[in-house]
Amino acid sequence: RKEVEQDPGPFNVPEGATVAFNCTYSNSASQSFFWYRQDCRKEPKLLMSVYSSGNEDGRFTAQLNRASQYISLLIRDSKLSDSATYLCVVRNTDKLIFGTGTRLQVFP
Amino acid sequence: ETGVTQSPTHLIKTRGQQVTLRCSSQSGHNTVSWYQQALGQGPQFIFQYYREEENGRGNFPPRFSGLQFPNYSSELNVNALELDDSALYLCASSLGPRTGELFFGEGSRLTVL
Repeated sequence: RKEVEQDPGPFNVPEGATVAFNCTYSNSASQSFFWYRQDCRKEPKLLMSVYSSGNEDGRFTAQLNRASQYISLLIRDSKLSDSATYLCVVRNTDKLIFGTGTRLQVFP
Repeated sequence: ETGVTQSPTHLIKTRGQQVTLRCSSQSGHNTVSWYQQALGQGPQFIFQYYREEENGRGNFPPRFSGLQFPNYSSELNVNALELDDSALYLCASSLGPRTGELFFGEGSRLTVL
């Protein structure tokens, strides 16, 4: 079983749609959680951290459920520029473990 | 953009050869992590260097080795190349070994024939 598993995607949504990505992790001792974004043929970049209480950054909302070992990312009012691969990331001691990523394509 | 530079950007090798990839970390960062990203996959953790010492390793064989220098730049060496080693190799620097924010370079794309 992979340490971090994500929805396979791709997700094709129209502009203005709300889309949600899910992620599960296998190590209950994982300490911290993140979403990264990777544009086509570019390097990954940190999108946001994920806190137990849930957190928002503009149109993006991240949630963590430690009991279920589940992380989510909600994007509201999707823009064309949101098209990218979204990587769920978990910290285990000194290692950041990346999921396979979920590709999002927003169309006009 | 991130201040992390990698070289070379592209290279082609044949099976059995050896390769060295280089990474300059962002100014002020003392930690470098290396990742392998195959097509359609997420980055896979190879190892991390913190203050010139290996500080964690993923499930990669010993023929993957590395170094970190006093200026915190780093090298990834791969011996006895195999076809499956073809991938994008990403270097990321950070302010410490336990931060969640990694700053990635644009990667070195290795093709093994």
